Amino acid sequence: QQQVKQSPQSLIVQKGGISIINCAYENTAFDYFPWYQQFPGKGPALLIAIRPDVSEKKEGRFTISFNKSAKQFSLHIMDSQPGDSATYFCAASLSGGKLIFGQGTELSVKP
Amino acid sequence: DTEVTQTPKHLVMGMTNKKSLKCEQHMGHRAMYWYKQKAKKPPELMFVYSYEKLSINESVPSRFSPECPNSSLLNLHLHALQPEDSALYLCASSQEGGATGELFFGEGSRLTVL
Repeated sequence: QQQVKQSPQSLIVQKGGISIINCAYENTAFDYFPWYQQFPGKGPALLIAIRPDVSEKKEGRFTISFNKSAKQFSLHIMDSQPGDSATYFCAASLSGGKLIFGQGTELSVKP
Repeated sequence: DTEVTQTPKHLVMGMTNKKSLKCEQHMGHRAMYWYKQKAKKPPELMFVYSYEKLSINESVPSRFSPECPNSSLLNLHLHALQPEDSALYLCASSQEGGATGELFFGEGSRLTVL
């Protein structure tokens, strides 16, 4: 299966709160798991990424948690800010250049 | 600011027109991609070029014709499109043929087919 399942579809968080987005996959051939952030009218931008042999990666307020045995990974946004309001896509990469995206999560951070 | 430049930003065309979308990157990346994105949907892969050769074609209709003149440029030629082809067309590039999944996207060309 080459799908990546992402939830929730939309998320509303208060300023300063924690935003959590979850993804799951089936294909064990996936070798890299990036997250992309997309603002309206813009292209997706790489936010943070993780390899399957690492359980956690943190960059500033953004953390990826990766559970290889459960085939699940998640994005945590700490101290969420209104400027974080965007659509977030998890993705999984296959060798050869194929990137499979999740369905996206529309995050709204309320002031 | 994005380092992948796409032109035009907006394009309106009729079903009998021929037009082209252009993409340029100067990061020395050797892989370039075309994605199609409908509103509130994830990007869908169309084509991958690796070292200027077409390596992936995701069964895209022949009315879309990609071209990679050199390692910095990527074109998408459009002919006899249908209204359902209206979408945001995204170009992306990556350093190693996409093995890492770290793609740099342009801002896209918004296409409307009348």
